[in-house]
Amino acid sequence: EPEVTQTPSHQVTQMGQEVILRCVPISNHLYFYWYRQILGQKVEFLVSFYNNEISEKSEIFDDQFSVERPDGSNFTLKIRSTKLEDSAMYFCASRTEETQYFGPGTRLLVL
Amino acid sequence: GNSVTQMEGPVTLSEEAFLTINCTYTATGYPSLFWYVQYPGEGLQLLLKATKADDKGSNKGFEATYRKETTSFHLEKGSVQVSDSAVYFCALWNQAGTALIFGKGTTLSVSS
Repeated sequence: EPEVTQTPSHQVTQMGQEVILRCVPISNHLYFYWYRQILGQKVEFLVSFYNNEISEKSEIFDDQFSVERPDGSNFTLKIRSTKLEDSAMYFCASRTEETQYFGPGTRLLVL
Repeated sequence: GNSVTQMEGPVTLSEEAFLTINCTYTATGYPSLFWYVQYPGEGLQLLLKATKADDKGSNKGFEATYRKETTSFHLEKGSVQVSDSAVYFCALWNQAGTALIFGKGTTLSVSS
């Protein structure tokens, strides 16, 4: 069964450094998403992406964040200058009709 | 806007006990409703869904019925197993249908 994949599974970085989180959505899906989950808290929407552009973003998704689909398969989330509070699990998702399918997540730790 | 409220956890049960995790929602219209499960150390997996009122979603022995009258989508299982220990999230689409809104999650711990 097709699934969303994410790399890396874990990333540790220093505050102020740039990180890129990678995702490969399910191949015939057209809508892509990033969510995050701070430890012990609820899953929060960050951004949605369709037709090579952002279709919606939340208040969390400020200028430090960007997304890109650099080729036909990858979907990336970049955090330009990480802060301590960016430490979280980041989930990529892709959508078909009524259902979103999530990847296993990347656990980001900012020191 | 749309929102979802889940019962606070943790829920601790013995194997073969009956499980109910409450979820109520507030929504404009009748968006699809979902239960996702997160096993320890893993990502979010779709457990079941219901797309319209009175629909019952079911999977792996879990069930939830989309109740318009009570704006609820409670998750139930007749006999839980240790392997069901996980965090369960109720979710629905936002008003625009462009992103999922999740509840805070309910941790279920099942002991043998």
